[in-house]
Amino acid sequence: QVQLVESGGGVVQPGKSLTLSCAASGFAFGSYNLHWVRQPPGKGLEWIALSSYDVSVKSYADSVKGRFTVYRDTSNDTLFLQMDGLRPEDTAVFYCARGYPSGPPYLDHWGRGTLVTVSS
Amino acid sequence: DIQMTQSPSSVSASVGDRVTITCRASQNINRWLAWYQQKPGKAPKLLISVASNLETGVPSRFSGSGSGTEFSLTINSLQPEDFATYYCQQAKSVPPHFGPGTVVDIK
Repeated sequence: QVQLVESGGGVVQPGKSLTLSCAASGFAFGSYNLHWVRQPPGKGLEWIALSSYDVSVKSYADSVKGRFTVYRDTSNDTLFLQMDGLRPEDTAVFYCARGYPSGPPYLDHWGRGTLVTVSS
Repeated sequence: DIQMTQSPSSVSASVGDRVTITCRASQNINRWLAWYQQKPGKAPKLLISVASNLETGVPSRFSGSGSGTEFSLTINSLQPEDFATYYCQQAKSVPPHFGPGTVVDIK
């Protein structure tokens, strides 16, 4: 079955960097767009990044553009989110999610999320 | 960017009630709309795509409708497991913003 497992969260100081991982299994990794979505504690969902199935397209929300980088390791079916210059407002649960195979960002499978806390 | 709004922000209802949530897009998104359900401490779950297509395994008491800029999610005969937060999301273009959510809680 489809599985997405995030890891790498933790407590980090403002201005520092952190890289999240999302290990995928149960589907053809190279055939699907993958997304990162975050949720601050007690708040709603915020889409933050897309990695297209063929890695040709990377898109970011304005709130993270220039600070976050999404990339894939296709040999290990893993999606990454490199986060630089972290701010307290980046504190959130970060989810990776799979998009529909045809491309539209209907997110049909999600991981359980990993919590990132940015605090001094 | 296409922005999404939802109303109400919360609704209190009883088991067996019918609940309708409205979602509006800031511009025409045709039928490029999804609905998600999220329970506390859990990841969101895709319920409906293309405004009205139920995902596999989603009970038929859930239904979606609308096109253009106005959409709705209806839950007929609310069940105990339906108490959750519901989000709409536009899927017409990147960034695929979510609405702010609607909490359905027990009256």
